[in-house]
Amino acid sequence: NAGVTQTPKFQVLKTGQSMTLQCAQDMNHEYMSWYRQDPGMGLRLIHYSVGAGITDQGEVPNGYNVSRSTTEDFPLRLLSAAPSQTSVYFCATSRGTKSTGELFFGEGSRLTVL
Amino acid sequence: KQEVTQIPAALSVPEGENLVLNCSFTDSAIYNLQWFRQDPGKGLTSLLLIQSSQREQTSGRLNASLDKSSGRSTLYIAASQPGDSATYLCAVHGSGNTGKLIFGQGTTLQVKP
Repeated sequence: NAGVTQTPKFQVLKTGQSMTLQCAQDMNHEYMSWYRQDPGMGLRLIHYSVGAGITDQGEVPNGYNVSRSTTEDFPLRLLSAAPSQTSVYFCATSRGTKSTGELFFGEGSRLTVL
Repeated sequence: KQEVTQIPAALSVPEGENLVLNCSFTDSAIYNLQWFRQDPGKGLTSLLLIQSSQREQTSGRLNASLDKSSGRSTLYIAASQPGDSATYLCAVHGSGNTGKLIFGQGTTLQVKP
């Protein structure tokens, strides 16, 4: 089992460019989520999904878009990258339809926006 | 609004010491609390999950306690080893339908050989 796989691990973008961070899991978890981790701010929830076809906003959703067409995949799209989106992004999953179970994290995607 | 605080931000100890990491939260109406470990450049690994009805959880050399009434949790690491060096984060999940997971900013632990 690979667990939670995030790609790419590193990415550099120019302001205004768009891109998609990929998250795939092979644990058949219903709950999937995206966090960003910034120095001094800790981890903050961007978007989450409790199952295929269902998504919802977290604490800092602006500038990001998500979809959940399958149980396995939960991509995060940056629509028009801004320097404020420079961060490390983590995908996390949990068994069941809530974040209240044990969370499993991917290894992160480090994004720099110039 | 729930706030989670971890003090100290950094800690350095010699190998073999027993140590305690602290986590405090402002709203005692929680569903559960998790402790995570994060190695540099890596994702978070769940260490222990304590439900609101529990007082403690143990895994190997790790013991986590929860005192909801005082808004505190501690992570006890026995006989620390250099391999324990990492950042330790606690996260509190609020109760109710809109409960969210709120993370502390972590304690970075260095265990010196």
